[in-house]
Amino acid sequence: AQKVTQAQTEISVVEKEDVTLDCVYETRDTTYYLFWYKQPPSGELVFLIRRNSFDEQNEISGRYSWNFQKSTSSFNFTITASQVVDSAVYFCALSEAYQGTSGTYKYIFGTGTRLKVLA
Amino acid sequence: DSGVTQTPKHLITATGQRVTLRCSPRSGDLSVYWYQQSLDQGLQFLIQYYNGEERAKGNILERFSAQQFPDLHSELNLSSLELGDSALYFCASSPGGGRTDTQYFGPGTRLTVL
Repeated sequence: AQKVTQAQTEISVVEKEDVTLDCVYETRDTTYYLFWYKQPPSGELVFLIRRNSFDEQNEISGRYSWNFQKSTSSFNFTITASQVVDSAVYFCALSEAYQGTSGTYKYIFGTGTRLKVLA
Repeated sequence: DSGVTQTPKHLITATGQRVTLRCSPRSGDLSVYWYQQSLDQGLQFLIQYYNGEERAKGNILERFSAQQFPDLHSELNLSSLELGDSALYFCASSPGGGRTDTQYFGPGTRLTVL
């Protein structure tokens, strides 16, 4: 079955430390999309990044960077010089074709990693 | 702000009751998705609508139903509520619902069943 594993349930770091959140996925699709979302204490889900399976280039956006390695089925997320405002739950998701339908896709979410950044 | 709106933000009700959650998608988006986030089940896909028609069903209970109206807003109806239905319910929208789509989530409705 296709699934997403975020083995780290909770991580605590001190402000300005770098932190990496792990995401491992399983899929039989040759073309697929991976996503990261942030859920701050206020509760909303904020889209961070989308990556397709053919693009293995690392991506950097400010203090955020993503490392996609198809060989290990991983899509890890690094926050450099963490800040208290980075405290949130981070979800990795895989876009999966929905069984029995044509061209319909749904997200499979990991269980999330709670990041606490201490001042 | 994702552009997806959900009302109400909070809802407190009793077991056995029925409630309706409302979602307005981003301008131009035709697909609406509903998700349930609970402590023990995580984020679970419930149902998807595309341009007024049901497209896919996930782990949605028979007590729950949804629809998407001609103006593309959607409603999720939850009936015969049980304590275990207490959760955060998210609506998301995307342009078409295809593989390349990014789903943008609303702020959620927190349902508490007492």
